[in-house]
Amino acid sequence: GQQVMQIPQYQHVQEGEDFTTYCNSSTTLSNIQWYKQRPGGHPVFLIQLVKSGEVKKQKRLTFQFGEAKKNSSLHITATQTTDVGTYFCVTTDSWGKLQFGAGTQVVVTP
Amino acid sequence: SQTIHQWPATLVQPVGSPLSLECTVEGTSNPNLYWYRQAAGRGLQLLFYSVGIGQISSEVPQNLSASRPQDRQFILSSKKLLLSDSGFYLCAGQGISGANVLTFGAGSRLTVL
Repeated sequence: GQQVMQIPQYQHVQEGEDFTTYCNSSTTLSNIQWYKQRPGGHPVFLIQLVKSGEVKKQKRLTFQFGEAKKNSSLHITATQTTDVGTYFCVTTDSWGKLQFGAGTQVVVTP
Repeated sequence: SQTIHQWPATLVQPVGSPLSLECTVEGTSNPNLYWYRQAAGRGLQLLFYSVGIGQISSEVPQNLSASRPQDRQFILSSKKLLLSDSGFYLCAGQGISGANVLTFGAGSRLTVL
């Protein structure tokens, strides 16, 4: 599968603080998706980015696709306890299959 | 509505026993279907990918197999389970709720003892 590095692996956040998780690829990506998996649940689609430099917002979540289409970030502002879970970036490999990054596990401290 | 159904939800199996996990799709035809495995606290490993009936792509060598006997049915099997087969198995359909987007079933949690 495609080699995608997702950092950090773990993120402990105080409620109300901001944090960012990153997804980096050594090759140019056709698109990138982000999913969230709550503890004990299954991954749920959040967003898809396709264009170079694209920025999309969903309430307190901001998603960016790099100009070179080799990296992406997810920034969450004013973290809430409902943000707990693992966030995955997902890329499409050269055969059209969707491959998951290792994920960033987010723990929120009240 | 367009959904993915998986069963059983949980199972505990002895080493060496067979396995059959089933996934069915509602509300769409000819989706691309995936089987992923997730070990505790880890990411999702792609196991099998199917673009149509009888068309299966295996991603990693292992003692698991997959079949797609019908357009909306995807089955994960093993003849003899290993301890290392324990994990959370997720079936997903691509293009069901949006172009290129994965929709997941609730998952099947397998413990091999």
